[in-house]
Amino acid sequence: DVKVTQSSRYLVKRTGEKVFLECVQDMDHENMFWYRQDPGLGLRLIYFSYDVKMKEKGDIPEGYSVSREKKERFSLILESASTNQTSMYLCASSPHLAGTTDTQYFGPGTRLTVL
Amino acid sequence: EDKVVQSPLSLVVHEGDTVTLNCSYEVTNFRSLLWYKQEKKAPTFLFMLTSSGIEKKSGRLSSILDKKELFSILNITATQTGDSAVYLCAVAETSGSRLTFGEGTQLTVNP
Repeated sequence: DVKVTQSSRYLVKRTGEKVFLECVQDMDHENMFWYRQDPGLGLRLIYFSYDVKMKEKGDIPEGYSVSREKKERFSLILESASTNQTSMYLCASSPHLAGTTDTQYFGPGTRLTVL
Repeated sequence: EDKVVQSPLSLVVHEGDTVTLNCSYEVTNFRSLLWYKQEKKAPTFLFMLTSSGIEKKSGRLSSILDKKELFSILNITATQTGDSAVYLCAVAETSGSRLTFGEGTQLTVNP
């Protein structure tokens, strides 16, 4: 079974702090994604990566950056956390088999609260 | 701009009822439509649909795609309290591996 793990289930930070959210997958997937999920807005893509050291902006990249130094690990960074970044953050991965399967496998999520 | 719209946003039913969840989409280069179930944790994959008119079925859940009218439905028959969850619809395009998600439908099944 594919396993995607996230470093924390719950996190509380203060405004202005630098925040790191870590995601690790164990299935050698090329693609990794970071989403945030807010009531009434569904899942919105922040950043994604097709390969090590590669990154692409999603729909809402402002205020975030990412790092992918190893294939299995994709980190989301909030350089200076703000209260409007309070949300559920979901990481996902998928194999690079475009057209064969588009299924993404999700981690359990990190509920971040910024005070 | 690509768009995926789910309806209803919220639904409350009694055990044993049958429900139909809707997903319509507007994307430039459609490749597939996916359904996920999300309880209080990670979304879990249900179905991937690529062809019109072919029903995908898993137990009491089934789904079908209409590429002409640009929508999909997810049916759940004989609902159980364990079906209570948010059901997410997502669309993939031919241009890459990203998915565009709808807002989700919150289904509550009461005993």
